[in-house]
Amino acid sequence: AQSVTQPDIHITVSEGASLELRCNYSYGATPYLFWYVQSPGQGLQLLLKYFSGDTLVQGIKGFEAEFKRSQSSFNLRKPSVHWSDAAEYFCAVGVSNYQLIWGAGTKLIIKP
Amino acid sequence: EPEVTQTPSHQVTQMGQEVILRCVPISNHLYFYWYRQILGQKVEFLVSFYNNEISEKSEIFDDQFSVERPDGSNFTLKIRSTKLEDSAMYFCASSVQGNYNSPLHFGNGTRLTVT
Repeated sequence: AQSVTQPDIHITVSEGASLELRCNYSYGATPYLFWYVQSPGQGLQLLLKYFSGDTLVQGIKGFEAEFKRSQSSFNLRKPSVHWSDAAEYFCAVGVSNYQLIWGAGTKLIIKP
Repeated sequence: EPEVTQTPSHQVTQMGQEVILRCVPISNHLYFYWYRQILGQKVEFLVSFYNNEISEKSEIFDDQFSVERPDGSNFTLKIRSTKLEDSAMYFCASSVQGNYNSPLHFGNGTRLTVT
């Protein structure tokens, strides 16, 4: 069955430090992969997506993610976090047209 | 930038009551969706809707749920007889096309509390 695992429930990072949020998926075919961000009281905003081609994808707000088929991973990275990046981040895999399977989310806490 | 809007932001209802959650998708979007997130759990797909018909629905979307596009702008989710386990954040989303090349735009959600 399709599934998405985000092993870290919370991550705390100092402002200005680099960030990597982990995502592993289980899906039989070539996956459509997404990262969404949810700020407090806000809806879900798409950060980036991977369909095919270059395995390193760039997104909004300085985020990038790398698709590694051999590891079934799609980890999200940012070289230098800002306090405004504090939010919850969700990885998702598309199993049919927009029937997304979601990870449980990783809450990012920024230390000043 | 156009937004998906959802009303109300919070809804409290008693078990067994009917609720209608309202959404105004982005005006040129043709595909509409409902997702929900029970507190502390994953976001779950409920239903997709196109051309006044349900395109896909999940196992969660049973006979207690229905969706409707009553006019040219609103997209509603009705829960006929609410249960305690329906308490969740409900997200509406829309997209221009019904494939992954067309980004999903989410509303801010309606928090439904069933007492």
